[in-house]
Amino acid sequence: QVTLKESGPGMLQPSKTLSLTCSFSGFSLSTSGMVVSWIRQPSGKSLEWLAAIDWDGDKYYNPSLKSRLTVSKDTSNTQVFLKITSVDIADTATYYCARRRTTMGITGGFDYFDYWGQGVMVTVSS
Amino acid sequence: DIQMTQSPTSLAASVGESVTITCLASEDIYGSLVWYQQKPGKSPQLLIYGATILEDGIPSRFSGSGSDTQYSLKINSLQPEDFASYYCQNGLSTPYTFGAGTKLELK
Repeated sequence: QVTLKESGPGMLQPSKTLSLTCSFSGFSLSTSGMVVSWIRQPSGKSLEWLAAIDWDGDKYYNPSLKSRLTVSKDTSNTQVFLKITSVDIADTATYYCARRRTTMGITGGFDYFDYWGQGVMVTVSS
Repeated sequence: DIQMTQSPTSLAASVGESVTITCLASEDIYGSLVWYQQKPGKSPQLLIYGATILEDGIPSRFSGSGSDTQYSLKINSLQPEDFASYYCQNGLSTPYTFGAGTKLELK
């Protein structure tokens, strides 16, 4: 049974660094092909993909936020972390981690998020 | 980045009706289109990937179609539990991008 769960500070002040943890079970990030992503959603708005890390330790970032993001994983491959520096009010959102899967089709690979955590709400406020 | 334009933004329908939501990609995504359902206070749930492939456990009243840049999600015979928000996602390449969402409401 695959589960993911996010944890974070709940609230922090502008200009601080946000640190989030995704703890998961039911799969290992050391397995070839496994990828865990971070996605966020401001209240009442759509979803924004932030970053990902794969089984090989390769990291991927949304170019729009790349300078502020750092994704990493622990050596046991059961946790993934995300740091966002210099937060401001616009970073207020629910943050999700999700497992990415890839299925090969005739025209190429289809990437999708098959399991999501429950999300952690983060408020940036002074 | 690939832009995903989803329509309509909101939609009112009755139980038993059929509805269609569309998603237009700014470039050819070669069928790598994903649909999610999200209920208030919950995380998104995967419905369809590869434009047409129904995720295990998803009712067959959900179906996806499309190719190149144009894609659709059809829900037949709406059930009370289907009233939720729906999002499309570019699954071709990073940065993965999502449509703005469609809120399906009970008429």
